[in-house]
Amino acid sequence: AQTVTQSQPEMSVQEAETVTLSCTYDTSENNYYLFWYKQPPSRQMILVIRQEAYKQQNATENRFSVNFQKAAKSFSLKISDSQLGDTAMYFCAFLPNFGNEKLTFGTGTRLTIIP
Amino acid sequence: NAGVTQTPKFQVLKTGQSMTLQCAQDMNHEYMSWYRQDPGMGLRLIHYSVGAGITDQGEVPNGYNVSRSTTEDFPLRLLSAAPSQTSVYFCASSVLQGHQPQHFGDGTRLSIL
Repeated sequence: AQTVTQSQPEMSVQEAETVTLSCTYDTSENNYYLFWYKQPPSRQMILVIRQEAYKQQNATENRFSVNFQKAAKSFSLKISDSQLGDTAMYFCAFLPNFGNEKLTFGTGTRLTIIP
Repeated sequence: NAGVTQTPKFQVLKTGQSMTLQCAQDMNHEYMSWYRQDPGMGLRLIHYSVGAGITDQGEVPNGYNVSRSTTEDFPLRLLSAAPSQTSVYFCASSVLQGHQPQHFGDGTRLSIL
């Protein structure tokens, strides 16, 4: 079974600064997918970014980028020029390439952007 | 296009009562799933379905039943509610092929007294 670990329960950063959220996972699979989801106080689960394990290039979505280290089984999320609207819980998630779509989530990191 | 719709948004039950959490999607997604979210534990998979008539258990299935009679609907039933089932419940759906991201509903906050 896969496990996903987010070792930072809470983080805070000043507005406009850069912050990195860490995520590690454990799997014996070679092909899989990794996701970062954002959950603001409204409780919605919003996809932030996605990475395919077979792609060496790190995924980027505007201010959000990842540092994917496959050998180290690490998948960190970097938020540049942080904004007040980035305040949320952030969940890392793992999806194996089995075709059964069973996501495994980490326990989350609560990020607060300070004005 | 409403996406994934969950009802109700809030519910309070007494121990032993039964209820059904509704989930509907209008995106013709084959895959649908139910998660529960508890403090400090992230989201855990309860049950999932890869198409009408097909369901399977996730990580924490005990105390819950599901059915998938249509592509659009995937209700979650609590037959005899227990305080340990107090949680926030999320329904999600996705296209099955291509490992597309899951679309989540807004959640149901359920309290069992």
